[in-house]
Amino acid sequence: SQELEQSPQSLIVQEGKNLTINCTSSKTLYGLYWYKQKYGEGLIFLMMLQKGGEEKSHEKITAKLDEKKQQSSLHITASQPSHAGIYLCGADSDNQGGKLIFGQGTELSVKP
Amino acid sequence: DTEVTQTPKHLVMGMTNKKSLKCEQHMGHRAMYWYKQKAKKPPELMFVYSYEKLSINESVPSRFSPECPNSSLLNLHLHALQPEDSALYLCASSPTNSPAYEQYFGPGTRLTVT
Repeated sequence: SQELEQSPQSLIVQEGKNLTINCTSSKTLYGLYWYKQKYGEGLIFLMMLQKGGEEKSHEKITAKLDEKKQQSSLHITASQPSHAGIYLCGADSDNQGGKLIFGQGTELSVKP
Repeated sequence: DTEVTQTPKHLVMGMTNKKSLKCEQHMGHRAMYWYKQKAKKPPELMFVYSYEKLSINESVPSRFSPECPNSSLLNLHLHALQPEDSALYLCASSPTNSPAYEQYFGPGTRLTVT
């Protein structure tokens, strides 16, 4: 079965600094999703990547999917306290019609 | 309306109780999902409904019984739960269950089984 490994597990950065979170899949990705979650709340959709080499940006967050479609990165530029939370990468496991699996998450803290 | 709503927000129930969780969306989505999330862990898929029919059951114990009475509504009926079933239960929806679409999540129901 497919597995997603995220790194790092946790990250503490000073406000204004850039950071990168990585997500590596054990199998080819059919779709890779990035979500953000505040503790105890629902998941907020950030971006979806499907094509090898694809890159998307929204405000100060950029996500990339490598050419082989097995690794994705999420980059935040000039981090702000509002970026704090848990970032989860997700993938449709084996293209099984909605069976989404997630990485273990990266907990981001941004110090003012 | 781009929102998935869940009720109740919090639920405390005894092991002999019967309760239900409710999820609703009015985005015209035809796929709906239930996830279970334990503390400090990622969400785990429980059920997938596609066009009001159950398409995936991730070997969930029968004390959890899903129901999709129409395309906008998804219920999760709970009976004889165990304390280890305490978790955040998340509902999600998407236009279809194709991986081409992202899933939209509700705020969750925090369930405590005593």
